[in-house]
Amino acid sequence: GQQLNQSPQSMFIQEGEDVSMNCTSSSIFNTWLWYKQDPGEGPVLLIALYKAGELTSNGRLTAQFGITRKDSFLNISASVPSDVGIYFCAGREAAGNKLTFGGGTRVLVKP
Amino acid sequence: DAGVIQSPRHEVTEMGQEVTLRCKPISGHNSLFWYRQTMMRGLELLIYFNNNVPIDDSGMPEDRFSAKMPNASFSTLKIQPSEPRDSAVYFCASSLKGAGDSPLHFGNGTRLTVT
Repeated sequence: GQQLNQSPQSMFIQEGEDVSMNCTSSSIFNTWLWYKQDPGEGPVLLIALYKAGELTSNGRLTAQFGITRKDSFLNISASVPSDVGIYFCAGREAAGNKLTFGGGTRVLVKP
Repeated sequence: DAGVIQSPRHEVTEMGQEVTLRCKPISGHNSLFWYRQTMMRGLELLIYFNNNVPIDDSGMPEDRFSAKMPNASFSTLKIQPSEPRDSAVYFCASSLKGAGDSPLHFGNGTRLTVT
């Protein structure tokens, strides 16, 4: 089963607001990834994190690799309607090549 | 650049029938993954290959599921016989193992409905 707890499960946001979501793990990961999935499509990579404490931005997106290596967060600043979708965190342990995914955060934007 | 290509996009079949899902990974990638996505269980890893060799199939639900990768550019996931509980979206993903921690690149999935 899944080892990652992702929260919140869903959220409504007002256009222009900042959004934050996070993942916590029972295992130590050496890689954290954040993906976005639009309806009818596969997840698309947003940000990749490779070092504890790393803070990385991609446009209006910012993600951090927690210093304990067991958590990560994603922030979206000044949200717009196209931010609607499901966001997934994923972690990879030091041994092996497997990615474990969180349960997803469904983001809905208020008109 | 072509991404991961999956076929078919949609498959509707009757219980008991054989189903074959197909995947073409990104050229040059040497790791291939099959995931299943459902509302209840999210994204679950079924099996993954490195250099065409199955490495971990612990996520394959049962003997009705099998996966092959006969060469670096093609993989199949087969369900025989199919059951209604197999209905889900099946994703294939590929990455470049050995190039640091290469992220996975996903296809657009095959939506399987078993009636």
